[in-house]
Amino acid sequence: DVKVTQSSRYLVKRTGEKVFLECVQDMDHENMFWYRQDPGLGLRLIYFSYDVKMKEKGDIPEGYSVSREKKERFSLILESASTNQTSMYLCASSMTSGRITGELFFGEGSRLTVL
Amino acid sequence: AQSVTQLGSHVSVSEGALVLLRCNYSSSVPPYLFWYVQYPNQGLQLLLKYTSAATLVKGINGFEAEFKKSETSFHLTKPSAHMSDAAEYFCAVRNTNAGKSTFGDGTTLTVKP
Repeated sequence: DVKVTQSSRYLVKRTGEKVFLECVQDMDHENMFWYRQDPGLGLRLIYFSYDVKMKEKGDIPEGYSVSREKKERFSLILESASTNQTSMYLCASSMTSGRITGELFFGEGSRLTVL
Repeated sequence: AQSVTQLGSHVSVSEGALVLLRCNYSSSVPPYLFWYVQYPNQGLQLLLKYTSAATLVKGINGFEAEFKKSETSFHLTKPSAHMSDAAEYFCAVRNTNAGKSTFGDGTTLTVKP
């Protein structure tokens, strides 16, 4: 079975702390994504990566950075957490075969609270 | 550019009734379209997808969706709702040549006994 694993389901951090959210997929997928989910706003793309060491900004990258040193791992970093970054964070991956990119496979999410 | 509009943030139906969740999209190229479902405290999982092979797409759990190019719609339906269908549903569109998906705001489906 396809699996995307997010390291922490629930985190509580203080304003100004550095936060790492880790995501690992076991499907050898080329593409990995970080979304943020807020009530009434759906999912908004923060960053994505098509390959190791490659990254591209999504729709709301401000305040975030990412790292992809290995194909299976994609990390989201909040350099200095703020209260408006309290949210549910979803990691996803997808494969590309030729010019076709498949559907997204999601992790269970990491609910971050910043106090 | 691509965008998705889901009409109705909350839909409530009785068990056994028809489920209809609406999705309209905007895309500058022929789109790939998806419906995902999210159960409480879980990530999203794929319900069904349109990839230009057939306009009527069947998915898991008895759901189906019809791609209507003239109406730029991809509405999700199920003939008879079950209590276990209560969840949040997201429509998503993807540009053919890129891996980014754009999601709608979601529709919460409530099923009344």
